[in-house]
Amino acid sequence: GNSVTQMEGPVTLSEEAFLTINCTYTATGYPSLFWYVQYPGEGLQLLLKATKADDKGSNKGFEATYRKETTSFHLEKGSVQVSDSAVYFCALSPETSGSRLTFGEGTQLTVNP
Amino acid sequence: KAGVTQTPRYLIKTRGQQVTLSCSPISGHRSVSWYQQTPGQGLQFLFEYFSETQRNKGNFPGRFSGRQFSNSRSEMNVSTLELGDSALYLCASALGYSGNTIYFGEGSWLTVV
Repeated sequence: GNSVTQMEGPVTLSEEAFLTINCTYTATGYPSLFWYVQYPGEGLQLLLKATKADDKGSNKGFEATYRKETTSFHLEKGSVQVSDSAVYFCALSPETSGSRLTFGEGTQLTVNP
Repeated sequence: KAGVTQTPRYLIKTRGQQVTLSCSPISGHRSVSWYQQTPGQGLQFLFEYFSETQRNKGNFPGRFSGRQFSNSRSEMNVSTLELGDSALYLCASALGYSGNTIYFGEGSWLTVV
C-alpha cells in the first residue's frame, strides 16, 4: 500500500535559518504529492503541490521538488520566520482510484526570534 | 469563492450519545473525504464520497458512517460515542475523483466526556 515517511520532529530553528523537512514515499504509479501546514487550533492549509516527476511546487518561499528516482518530496525554505511555526504534513494521493490522502506523521517546526 | 465549510466547529458530547458533523465542499467540487486527527494516531482516513457513493473506507468501526447528498454536501455520523472518539474531524473536497488538489476545512472539534 501507499505510505509516507516524514522527518521526525520537533525542529527548532532561529529566524532566517534554512529549513529542510525530509519526506519520502512509497506508491505505485505517479501519485500527486502535497505539503500541508497546520497552525495551532486550525485545519490543514495546502502549502504546495506537485503532480508529476521533476515538478517543483512553491508558495510563500517554500519549495519542494517531486523526485521520482528517490521517491522524495523534501520541503525547503531559505529563510524561516517566526510566523512559519506550525506543523507540516507531507501527503500523497493516488494517481487513480480516488482522492484518499496518505499522510506522514507531521513535523512540528518552531522558529525562535 | 468560499472554502470548505464544516459545522459545528466545537462540540461536547457524552459517552453513548451520537453526533452528526456537516461539511459543505467548495462550490463545484464533487469529491468529499473525511479524516480523524488525534495526537496519538495522527491523521487517519475515514471515508471518501464521490457522486453520492462511498468510494473508499478507512479502517474504522461501523459506528462511523457518512453520506453525501446530491448537492455534494456531506455528513458523517458517529454513534455510541466513546472517549477515544475525541478528535478533530476534518473534511476535504476535490473537484473530481482522482488527480485533483484536495482542500481542507477548519475541522470540527469533538470532545466526548
